[in-house]
Amino acid sequence: DVVMTQTPLSLPVSLGDQASISCRSSQSLVESNGNTHLHWYLQKPGQLPQLLLYKVSNRFSGVPDRFSGSGSETDFILKISRVESEDLGVYYCLQSTHLPYTFGAGTKLELK
Amino acid sequence: QVQLKESGPGLMQPSETLSLTCTVSGFSLTSNGVGWVRQPLGKGLVWMGTIWAGGSTNYNSAVQSRLSISRDTSKSQVFLKMNSLQPEDTGTYYCARHPFDYWGQGVMVTVSS
Repeated sequence: DVVMTQTPLSLPVSLGDQASISCRSSQSLVESNGNTHLHWYLQKPGQLPQLLLYKVSNRFSGVPDRFSGSGSETDFILKISRVESEDLGVYYCLQSTHLPYTFGAGTKLELK
Repeated sequence: QVQLKESGPGLMQPSETLSLTCTVSGFSLTSNGVGWVRQPLGKGLVWMGTIWAGGSTNYNSAVQSRLSISRDTSKSQVFLKMNSLQPEDTGTYYCARHPFDYWGQGVMVTVSS
């Protein structure tokens, strides 16, 4: 199984800060057709996970442009340019290139 | 708009069989796959399995021997059945449209005697 390692597990921030979360996979997530199926989700307390970015860097409908994604092969980054209160919660990466699909353990973005 | 909604019993006894239904709208099950994801209380997300648009399935090997996913396209419903339940199967069960862009609200299942 592909192991997804997220760091840090906890990220204390102040509103307006920039935040970065790393997700590293145990093998390349590049598919034979060149697509990379690495996605990012935010789960706010008591809510379902919501898709932020798909295939590394594509913002899902309605996602603010302060969220951006980058990376390739096995190393990926989610950046929030200026954290707002509505961004607090747990962030997960998901790889859907290889079966079984696997999630990272989650990064809790919280206020300092 | 795309919607998914899970339904099923909230409390189960150990060794029983869990049956959950995911009712979808806004898309066709013959055009998109639907997967199930479990989240133990206070923990992370685990993919359990997916039924694809063509009707084939893939399962997580951790539960493969106990899990079955099927569908009724005429009713726009996807079904999860998992037997031999244990307390560690307790958690919230989500269905999600592949590629995991839209999710249901989830249903909490507690396995306890």
